[in-house]
Amino acid sequence: QVQLVESGGGVVQPGRSLRLSCAASGFTFSNYGMHWVRQAPGKGLEWVAVISYDATIKYYGDSVKGRFTISRDNSKNTLSLQLNSLREEDTAVYYCGKDYYLTSPAMHLCDYWGQGILVTVSS
Amino acid sequence: NFMLTQPHSVSASPGETVTISCTRSSGSIASTFVQWYQQRPGTSPRTVIFEDSRRPSGVPDRFSGSVDRSSNSASLTISELKTEDEADYSCQSYDNTNHWVFGGGTRLTVL
Repeated sequence: QVQLVESGGGVVQPGRSLRLSCAASGFTFSNYGMHWVRQAPGKGLEWVAVISYDATIKYYGDSVKGRFTISRDNSKNTLSLQLNSLREEDTAVYYCGKDYYLTSPAMHLCDYWGQGILVTVSS
Repeated sequence: NFMLTQPHSVSASPGETVTISCTRSSGSIASTFVQWYQQRPGTSPRTVIFEDSRRPSGVPDRFSGSVDRSSNSASLTISELKTEDEADYSCQSYDNTNHWVFGGGTRLTVL
């Protein structure tokens, strides 16, 4: 069965950096785009970034563009998100998600989600 | 870019039918697919409807999705409500550059 397990969260001061990882199993990781979506405390879902199955396409939400970097290692079945210049408003649970479409540049929806990892940005 | 607007909350009794709307602010609702995600308290999202009206395996047929061009909105309908359906429901679509847009989420209370 598909499993996505996030790690790397924690408490960090504003302006500092953090790196999140998502370990994938139960499917052919190299065939699917992957997403990061976050949810601030008491708020709705916010899309963060997506990377295509072959890492040739990357898109970012406006609030994180230029500060966050999405990447993947298909040899290790791992998705990553590098969070730089963190702000208090980046405090959220971060979810990784598997895209539904097989080897497609159309990365429109997630069919599986991880359990989420909390990032708290506070001085 | 466009916005997706959902009611903040809806409520209904067990056995009843409830519909949650998701209205697109600009551009046609039919131009891109709409997905619906269920999120019970303290858990990760679960896809209940994708591509406007398709249901993933394991999602009961009490859940259905539709799109209405006249109101430029999508809807999630849950029939024969059960207490386990109590959750937050969020719609999601995307623009022509693959950037996602979420609705603000609707809290469903099953009284």
